[in-house]
Amino acid sequence: AQTIHQWPVAEIKAVGSPLSLGCTIKGKSSPNLYWYWQATGGTLQQLFYSITVGQVESVVQLNLSASRPKDDQFILSTEKLLLSHSGFYLCAWSLAYNNQAPLFGEGTRLSVL
Amino acid sequence: DAKTTQPDSMESTEGETVHLPCSHATISGNEYIYWYRQVPLQGPEYVTHGLQQNTTNSMAFLAIASDRKSSTLILPHVSLRDAAVYHCILRVDQGGSAKLIFGEGTKLTVSS
Repeated sequence: AQTIHQWPVAEIKAVGSPLSLGCTIKGKSSPNLYWYWQATGGTLQQLFYSITVGQVESVVQLNLSASRPKDDQFILSTEKLLLSHSGFYLCAWSLAYNNQAPLFGEGTRLSVL
Repeated sequence: DAKTTQPDSMESTEGETVHLPCSHATISGNEYIYWYRQVPLQGPEYVTHGLQQNTTNSMAFLAIASDRKSSTLILPHVSLRDAAVYHCILRVDQGGSAKLIFGEGTKLTVSS
């Protein structure tokens, strides 16, 4: 079975500091991977998605970037955090033309002070 | 473009059967309909999914309209643990990509 591991579970960072959030998938190759952001009490907003290594499409950037250095890894980062980056970040997995349901990670809670 | 529309919120009482609607009027023939639920600061949890036929599992019954333009998630005998935001999601497969289309989600409140 597929599993998603997100790290870290939670972060408290200062405005202007760098950030790197990670997501690792186990159990399936060549997945579609996604990053979502959710403000406190808000809806899920898709940030990026990737269908293959080295290829990332931006949906909404929010001064963030994403990379897929390996088939099973998806990284979200920025060099300078803003207060507006606070929130809950989710990584998700899916496969096209497949009956399996998308899978979501447990999320990373980010507080920018 | 595919889109889903859900009511912002619904209220219920323990033991009731709850019907959560979702409109997806622009759905295409190969797009799966997924339902997830999410509690604060956790990832969405899979509930059920379907393509054309109604489906049922231990958590819920999914009724899909014959024209597939809407679906209803039916939660029998809800308990306090069923309080969550329920997301209706379409998966749009194109080329090698699987786009996930979210609506706003319905916040279900359950009172005792």
